[in-house]
Amino acid sequence: DGGITQSPKYLFRKEGQNVTLSCEQNLNHDAMYWYRQDPGQGLRLIYYSQIVNDFQKGDIAEGYSVSREKKESFPLTVTSAQKNPTAFYLCASSILGTDQPQHFGDGTRLSIL
Amino acid sequence: SQKIEQNSEALNIQEGKTATLTCNYTNYSPAYLQWYRQDPGRGPVFLLLIRENEKEKRKERLKVTFDTTLKQSLFHITASQPADSATYLCALDVTGGSYIPTFGRGTSLIVHP
Repeated sequence: DGGITQSPKYLFRKEGQNVTLSCEQNLNHDAMYWYRQDPGQGLRLIYYSQIVNDFQKGDIAEGYSVSREKKESFPLTVTSAQKNPTAFYLCASSILGTDQPQHFGDGTRLSIL
Repeated sequence: SQKIEQNSEALNIQEGKTATLTCNYTNYSPAYLQWYRQDPGRGPVFLLLIRENEKEKRKERLKVTFDTTLKQSLFHITASQPADSATYLCALDVTGGSYIPTFGRGTSLIVHP
């Protein structure tokens, strides 16, 4: 079955540590996205990518970094510069074009030790 | 300011009734609006898309309306079931043609047997 796989499901970060969240898709989608979801909040866009080796900052990119070396993969690194990283992180992909639905993974919940 | 409003209070209804969820927006002229379902600890799942020139869309027990004059979309679930209990998110393009929708906070629906 085609879909998006995020790993790990739960992740703990120590102070001053960088952590990387994995996102892989086999839907052959060009566009991929990272969102952050906090309790009672909507999804906030962190980064997005329309094509391999290119990505754009979203609304809350500070303290995060991404790479897009392969079409299937869009890992997100939460750096030590992100002072409030505890959240539910969602990766999505879509066909490139207006009104196309987004397909989401099942998220990674990041907590601080 | 620009914003998307979904009722933050949970909607509680009895099984078999019609659930109606509201998505209001201000200061946008979206070309489309999407509805997603999100279960606890899972990623959102796309349900329906409605475009600005469409008044109504149906899919099985789901119906979405889009009133660009009132700046409102209504999402209806007829003959609701306990399995319909989830959070429902609306998403729309805030720039009128963007392929990246902006999400509302969602409304929790609880269907009681």
